[in-house]
Amino acid sequence: AQSVTQPDIHITVSEGASLELRCNYSYGATPYLFWYVQSPGQGLQLLLKYFSGDTLVQGIKGFEAEFKRSQSSFNLRKPSVHWSDAAEYFCAVGSNDYKLSFGAGTTVTVRA
Amino acid sequence: DAGVIQSPRHEVTEMGQEVTLRCKPISGHDYLFWYRQTMMRGLELLIYFNNNVPIDDSGMPEDRFSAKMPNASFSTLKIQPSEPRDSAVYFCASSSESVNGNQPQHFGDGTRLSIL
Repeated sequence: AQSVTQPDIHITVSEGASLELRCNYSYGATPYLFWYVQSPGQGLQLLLKYFSGDTLVQGIKGFEAEFKRSQSSFNLRKPSVHWSDAAEYFCAVGSNDYKLSFGAGTTVTVRA
Repeated sequence: DAGVIQSPRHEVTEMGQEVTLRCKPISGHDYLFWYRQTMMRGLELLIYFNNNVPIDDSGMPEDRFSAKMPNASFSTLKIQPSEPRDSAVYFCASSSESVNGNQPQHFGDGTRLSIL
């Protein structure tokens, strides 16, 4: 069965600084990988996805993620964070049965 | 296009009462998922449907929980009788079928359930 680990429970970053959120997955075949963002009181919004091809994927809101098979990682990055990026971020891995396994999430706090 | 619509957004009820949560998936989506989110356990998949048929209900916590999908545009998650430990945010999500075997799931805004 697939699983996801997000090692960082909480990250605080200054506005304008860069952000990197870590994600490690476990899956026996080629994974389908996703990053979602959840603002307070809202559902999860898809930021980006990786199915195959280019290992660097671009998403919405200026986010990007890089798939590294050798490290079983799919880290999310943003060069310059905005106060509106404060939220909880979830990494997820999918399989051919359409189910997703989510990590525990990383809460991002942005300080002025 | 409208997203996944859930109702109600908030529900507060006393233990022992029946609770029904509702979901309208995105039109044309073949898959519908019900999740529960709590601080302690994070996001848990409860059950999912394909073309209105339940495929995997192994995440349903116990017999007090049931879910139905009578047609392609409507699903319910019912708890009877409800207990305080059922308090959580319940999300519905939908996705489309594809040759890739997986497509992103689109989430509703959730129902925040409080059982007193």
